[in-house]
Amino acid sequence: GAVVSQHPSRVICKSGTSVKIECRSLDFQATTMFWYRQFPKQSLMLMATSNEGSKATYEQGVEKDKFLINHASLTLSTLTVTSAHPEDSSFYICSVPEGGTEAFFGQGTRLTVV
Amino acid sequence: DQQVKQNSPSLSVQEGRISILNCDYTNSMFDYFLWYKKYPAEGPTFLISISSIKDKNEDGRFTVFLNKSAKHLSLHIVPSQPGDSAVYFCAARGRGGSQGNLIFGKGTKLSVKP
Repeated sequence: GAVVSQHPSRVICKSGTSVKIECRSLDFQATTMFWYRQFPKQSLMLMATSNEGSKATYEQGVEKDKFLINHASLTLSTLTVTSAHPEDSSFYICSVPEGGTEAFFGQGTRLTVV
Repeated sequence: DQQVKQNSPSLSVQEGRISILNCDYTNSMFDYFLWYKKYPAEGPTFLISISSIKDKNEDGRFTVFLNKSAKHLSLHIVPSQPGDSAVYFCAARGRGGSQGNLIFGKGTKLSVKP
C-alpha cells in the first residue's frame, strides 16, 4: 500500500500562533488526500478532503478559514491550523486512498496548544 | 448520531485465546468495511476488510465476519498475541462514496496478556 509520511509527529505551540502539518505520499501520486482529527476517546472524524490543484472540500462544522489546506502537488498536502487555541489541541491524521477501497494513514500529529 | 458503533471501549484477552471485537452500523448503504489497528501516537494501519457482498474474509490470524441483516461485523484474532495489543477501529464506506472517505467507530482497546 501507499507509504504516507506526516510531519511533525508532535508540536506544541502558543495560543494565537499558526501550525503547519505536512502529509506526503512517498510512493503514490495522490490526487486526493483526507485530513482527520481525533479527540481523546473519540473516533477519527473527517475534517476535509484535499484535492490536488483545487480547493479543499470541508466537512460540515469545520472552519475553512481556520484549517487551511493546500494540495499543491500529487505528493504533498498541508494543513495549517491558524490562530490556534487550546480547543484545537488534538491528534491530526492524513490519509491517502488507494485501490478504490483502502486508505493508508500517516503517523499523525499530536498538536498541543498552550 | 454515530453510524458506526463499537460499544466495547476495551477488551482484555489471554495470550493464545481468541479476541473478538464487535462493530455495529446503522446505514444499510455502507458497502465496504475495514478494520484498522492503531498504536499510541501513530496513525491507523489497515488490517483487513470485507465487501458487503461477502460474509467472511480471512487473512492469517485475522477473520472478519459480516452479518448484514443484523448490521453487525466482528473481527476475530486467533491466537491472540501480546503484539496485538492496540486500539482497533472499525470503519465503513458508503456506497459510491469517495475513495478512502471512511466513517470510523470510537475504537476498542485490546490488551493481550502474556
